[in-house]
Amino acid sequence: QVQLQESGPGLVKPSQTLSLTCTVSGGSISSGSYYWSWIRQPAGKGLEWIGRIYTSGSTNYNPSLKSRVTISVDTSKNQFSLKLSSVTAADTAVYYCATYDLWGRGTLVTVSS
Amino acid sequence: DIQMTQSPSSLSASVGDRVTITCRASQGIRNDLGWYQQKPGKAPKRLIYAASSLQSGVPSRFSGSGSGTEFTLTISSLQPEDFATYYCLQHNSYPHTFGQGTKLEIK
Repeated sequence: QVQLQESGPGLVKPSQTLSLTCTVSGGSISSGSYYWSWIRQPAGKGLEWIGRIYTSGSTNYNPSLKSRVTISVDTSKNQFSLKLSSVTAADTAVYYCATYDLWGRGTLVTVSS
Repeated sequence: DIQMTQSPSSLSASVGDRVTITCRASQGIRNDLGWYQQKPGKAPKRLIYAASSLQSGVPSRFSGSGSGTEFTLTISSLQPEDFATYYCLQHNSYPHTFGQGTKLEIK
């Protein structure tokens, strides 16, 4: 059974780059036709779609974040990653990796000096 | 961007009640819509995909309907474990967008 697990720093300073990794276990990230997505949720608020990457490496990003977001895949490690640059307090949220039917547990990232 | 307007934003109901939540899309999205349940401190869980298909393992009291711009999630007989927040997600066009959520509370 495929499972997803987010990892990365829980605290990032303002103006720096947030970097998270999602490790896929129980299956190959390259098999099938999956889109690998990142979604975030500020405390007490709704869900925001950040973007996604296809197994081929093609990406789609939310225009509201596009200038700051990069999603990449490392098939050798069975992982995909999120980088969000120039972060502010508004980027504080729980970040989820997902395939829409499968979700990681989420990881809280706080932006603070 | 396609706006997903979800209603109501909150709802009080009792165990055994029939409940309906609606999502309206600002433009047609065919049936490219999913419904999710989220409990506090947990990741969302998909209940319905392709607007009306029940996710494997999800109780049959959950059902979805609709196509185009109007969609509904119905819970036929509320159970205690159903009190949660529900979201719709459209994946017809980018950026994919969620409804703002419906918090279902015990009356």
